[in-house]
Amino acid sequence: AQSVTQPDIHITVSEGASLELRCNYSYGATPYLFWYVQSPGQGLQLLLKYFSGDTLVQGIKGFEAEFKRSQSSFNLRKPSVHWSDAAEYFCAGKHNAGNMLTFGGGTRLMVKP
Amino acid sequence: DGGITQSPKYLFRKEGQNVTLSCEQNLNHDAMYWYRQDPGQGLRLIYYSQIVNDFQKGDIAEGYSVSREKKESFPLTVTSAQKNPTAFYLCASSTTGGETQYFGPGTRLLVL
Repeated sequence: AQSVTQPDIHITVSEGASLELRCNYSYGATPYLFWYVQSPGQGLQLLLKYFSGDTLVQGIKGFEAEFKRSQSSFNLRKPSVHWSDAAEYFCAGKHNAGNMLTFGGGTRLMVKP
Repeated sequence: DGGITQSPKYLFRKEGQNVTLSCEQNLNHDAMYWYRQDPGQGLRLIYYSQIVNDFQKGDIAEGYSVSREKKESFPLTVTSAQKNPTAFYLCASSTTGGETQYFGPGTRLLVL
């Protein structure tokens, strides 16, 4: 069965430091992959998505993610974190022929001043 | 502005009561979804609908019901059979191909 795993439940970084959030997937074929961000008490906002082609994907708010087939990973990165980036981040995947998203458990990011 | 609206933002349920959460979208999307989110957990699919007058159960449909009488609307009823309804409920929509799901702001359901 397909699955998406986010190994880190919580991550704390200092403001201005770089960030990498991990996401691993298990699918029979290359899935469509997404990163969403959720501020407390809010809905999910799409940061970026990967369907095919260039394995380095640029998103909103200065985020990027790299698809690595050999590692079954789709890690989210940001070179310099801002205090406003503190939120929960969800990785999600789906078969390219279907509608259903499978979500990882989420990673809560805290930013130290 | 195109988007998804959910109401109310907060909802209180008494023991044995059915409550209905509203979800409306003006994105002209065919597919709509309901998810449940518990603290510290990811999202779990309750129900989804790919077209008007048709819907399917997701992973945790027990204790919930839906209807899809209009393309724009996909209300979720939390019935008295749902013994642990306290959670954050998120509605989403997508085109029929379902490449990307867009989410509403959510409704928090609390039990009195």
